[in-house]
Amino acid sequence: NAGVTQTPKFQVLKTGQSMTLQCAQDMNHEYMSWYRQDPGMGLRLIHYSVGAGITDQGEVPNGYNVSRSTTEDFPLRLLSAAPSQTSVYFCASSQARGPNQPQHFGDGTRLSIL
Amino acid sequence: AQSVTQLGSHVSVSEGALVLLRCNYSSSVPPYLFWYVQYPNQGLQLLLKYTSAATLVKGINGFEAEFKKSETSFHLTKPSAHMSDAAEYFCAVSPNNFGNEKLTFGTGTRLTIIP
Repeated sequence: NAGVTQTPKFQVLKTGQSMTLQCAQDMNHEYMSWYRQDPGMGLRLIHYSVGAGITDQGEVPNGYNVSRSTTEDFPLRLLSAAPSQTSVYFCASSQARGPNQPQHFGDGTRLSIL
Repeated sequence: AQSVTQLGSHVSVSEGALVLLRCNYSSSVPPYLFWYVQYPNQGLQLLLKYTSAATLVKGINGFEAEFKKSETSFHLTKPSAHMSDAAEYFCAVSPNNFGNEKLTFGTGTRLTIIP
């Protein structure tokens, strides 16, 4: 049981490049989300999905795109990378909707934009 | 609207001493509250959660937290610190509303254990 798997673990991009951060979970969880973690700012929600085919914006969605074609996968796309998007990105999932559902986090993708 | 304030971005305690990490919340509806722990180069793990049952919540690794509505606080404690407790700790709040489950995290407290 792998849990939440994020790839790649590290990535360096040049400004203007695009890329996709992958997230997969093998727990049949309905709810998936993407956060970014910046020093002194905690985790901020980028996008989330309550099931296949359904996504919505979080606190900081600009510059990012998501889709949810299957229950297992929730990729995050950077459309045109900017230095302000240098961060650590975490994907999380939970079994169902509901405020008391614990979230399971991946180990993160460390992204640097030059 | 909801928010979380963690007092002290860095806390150092001696091994065997009491650990106290402070969290105050603001929420327009009854909240659910969480503490997560993050070890270096890893994702976050749930330590404990308050979901309007008992106000004193026990979690993993000997940690506990008490929900105090009058003080809008949810401080994390552990009676005796262990070296393995060194990590970053995040308090988070979610409104007690189905359909609005977004977690809002605090800025984190890095706990250092002094041998």
